[in-house]
Amino acid sequence: DGGITQSPKYLFRKEGQNVTLSCEQNLNHDAMYWYRQDPGQGLRLIYYSQIVNDFQKGDIAEGYSVSREKKESFPLTVTSAQKNPTAFYLCASTVAGDQPQHFGDGTRLSIL
Amino acid sequence: AQSVTQPDIHITVSEGASLELRCNYSYGATPYLFWYVQSPGQGLQLLLKYFSGDTLVQGIKGFEAEFKRSQSSFNLRKPSVHWSDAAEYFCAVGFGNEKLTFGTGTRLTIIP
Repeated sequence: DGGITQSPKYLFRKEGQNVTLSCEQNLNHDAMYWYRQDPGQGLRLIYYSQIVNDFQKGDIAEGYSVSREKKESFPLTVTSAQKNPTAFYLCASTVAGDQPQHFGDGTRLSIL
Repeated sequence: AQSVTQPDIHITVSEGASLELRCNYSYGATPYLFWYVQSPGQGLQLLLKYFSGDTLVQGIKGFEAEFKRSQSSFNLRKPSVHWSDAAEYFCAVGFGNEKLTFGTGTRLTIIP
């Protein structure tokens, strides 16, 4: 079945540690997105990529980094510079020039 | 800047009753409009979308939404809710493969 796979489902980070969230899609979509979800705040865009080897900052990119070396993969690194990383992280993808976005099942990140 | 407002944070309805969830947007032109549903700990599932044409849009699970340009609204409706409809609902707007802007969500509780 085609879809978006996010791993791990739960992740714990120690203070000062970088962690990487995985997002893989087999939908042959060009564009991929990372959102952060906090209670009562909806979804906020962290980074997005419309093509391999290119990506743009979203509304809340500080403390995060991404790469897009392959069309199917868009990993998100939460760096130690992100002082409040506890949240639910959602990855999405879409065909370039078209909507809607399809979502993965998310990764919940917590601080130890 | 574009924005999406979902004025109801939490709605409770009886099973079998009708439902309307409100969504208003602020945008430079008529954007693409979407409703997504999210069960606890899960990703977002697309219920329906409006790009152009008929202003009454049918979606999955018996949901429909009506686009009203004069009111900049895209309200979600269902004639008779089921217990399985309990979830959080998000309205979103966007253009092409630009980023989506999400509302803060409406949590729906169903009582027997």
